[in-house]
Amino acid sequence: GESVGLHLPTLSVQEGDNSIINCAYSNSASDYFIWYKQESGKGPQFIIDIRSNMDKRQGQRVTVLLNKTVKHLSLQIAATQPGDSAVYFCAVRGGATNKLIFGTGTLLAVQP
Amino acid sequence: EAGVVQSPRYKIIEKKQPVAFWCNPISGHNTLYWYLQNLGQGPELLIRYENEEAVDDSQLPKDRFSAERLKGVDSTLKIQPAELGDSAVYLCASSFGTPPDTQYFGPGTRLTVL
Repeated sequence: GESVGLHLPTLSVQEGDNSIINCAYSNSASDYFIWYKQESGKGPQFIIDIRSNMDKRQGQRVTVLLNKTVKHLSLQIAATQPGDSAVYFCAVRGGATNKLIFGTGTLLAVQP
Repeated sequence: EAGVVQSPRYKIIEKKQPVAFWCNPISGHNTLYWYLQNLGQGPELLIRYENEEAVDDSQLPKDRFSAERLKGVDSTLKIQPAELGDSAVYLCASSFGTPPDTQYFGPGTRLTVL
């Protein structure tokens, strides 16, 4: 079955530095990938998505990289700000169902 | 534009009691999802609706959980009777069309079963 994992449960960065959050997935048939940000007491907030026919997509201060060869996804946040502190989830769709499978989450802590 | 609305935000009940959660999706979104989120974990899909039809309820524990979306807009998720292990956050999400498309989440209902 599908499984999605994150390499680091907690990531601590200094304000202004770049952050990289990683995610591994297991199903090579996965075709759609999303990053969500979840602040305490709130629902997941969409950040950026990417389809399997792409390997890079950029948004405002965020970039998602997809490496289908090694089944790896990363989220890069440029010039990390205190407001970026949250739990970040990758979610993957693919295989036999239309379900999004979420990873466990990485807590990003931004130090002033 | 209003986001996904959920109520109540918090609910505390004793075990064996019934409980219901309500969701109003983003206007125009045909697909509605209910997720369960345990502490420190990612959301897990319980049920997905396309308009009024439940197209994926394979993860819904049907002995105690039920859901409905009668007019293809608002939805209600019910648990009867609640068990201690049901304590979690129940998230509702909606999207414009069929997957894969972006799902937008509501703030969730935090359920505590005593």
